[in-house]
Amino acid sequence: DGGITQSPKYLFRKEGQNVTLSCEQNLNHDAMYWYRQDPGQGLRLIYYSQIVNDFQKGDIAEGYSVSREKKESFPLTVTSAQKNPTAFYLCASSFQGADTQYFGPGTRLTVL
Amino acid sequence: AQSVTQLDSHVSVSEGTPVLLRCNYSSSYSPSLFWYVQHPNKGLQLLLKYTSAATLVKGINGFEAEFKKSETSFHLTKPSAHMSDAAEYFCVVSDLTSASKIIFGSGTRLSIRP
Repeated sequence: DGGITQSPKYLFRKEGQNVTLSCEQNLNHDAMYWYRQDPGQGLRLIYYSQIVNDFQKGDIAEGYSVSREKKESFPLTVTSAQKNPTAFYLCASSFQGADTQYFGPGTRLTVL
Repeated sequence: AQSVTQLDSHVSVSEGTPVLLRCNYSSSYSPSLFWYVQHPNKGLQLLLKYTSAATLVKGINGFEAEFKKSETSFHLTKPSAHMSDAAEYFCVVSDLTSASKIIFGSGTRLSIRP
């Protein structure tokens, strides 16, 4: 069953703690993306990676970090430097150079 | 620079009546345009994509969109709304500065009245 998985679906953390969100895909896509969604707003790009061991900052990268050690995986770490981390986080993937992206089910992060 | 504007933040229609969700884009070139749907607490699902092959694009679940270059619009329509259509809809344009990047509109929440 091909697709993109994100875990966990809901995540709660105390303020000041780092937290890592998982994203895995078995679609053989080269590129992967992380977006943040806040109520009443569109999606904003945090980081993206077009190939393994390479990634670029998106529009709101401050307070986040990523790694791309495997083609299938693109974990996102929300650090304590992110001033307002509570949001819905969506991962997506695509073939390299393609503009059609496919999305995972999302992780809702709540920082208490 | 490319941009996309969704003209209505919220649209409410009665079940069985037509749906119209409006989107205008700005681009120096003919972009790729998309509509995605998001049900509550879910990821985004691709409804349809325009890539210049045909100006009227048919998507899933009975939705279609018409690309009008003269009006720089890409409105989403459905002849008869169903309760299951209640969701958030996003109009998206490809970012020509990067082959892999796309730009989202702010979304339109569609409500269906019984």
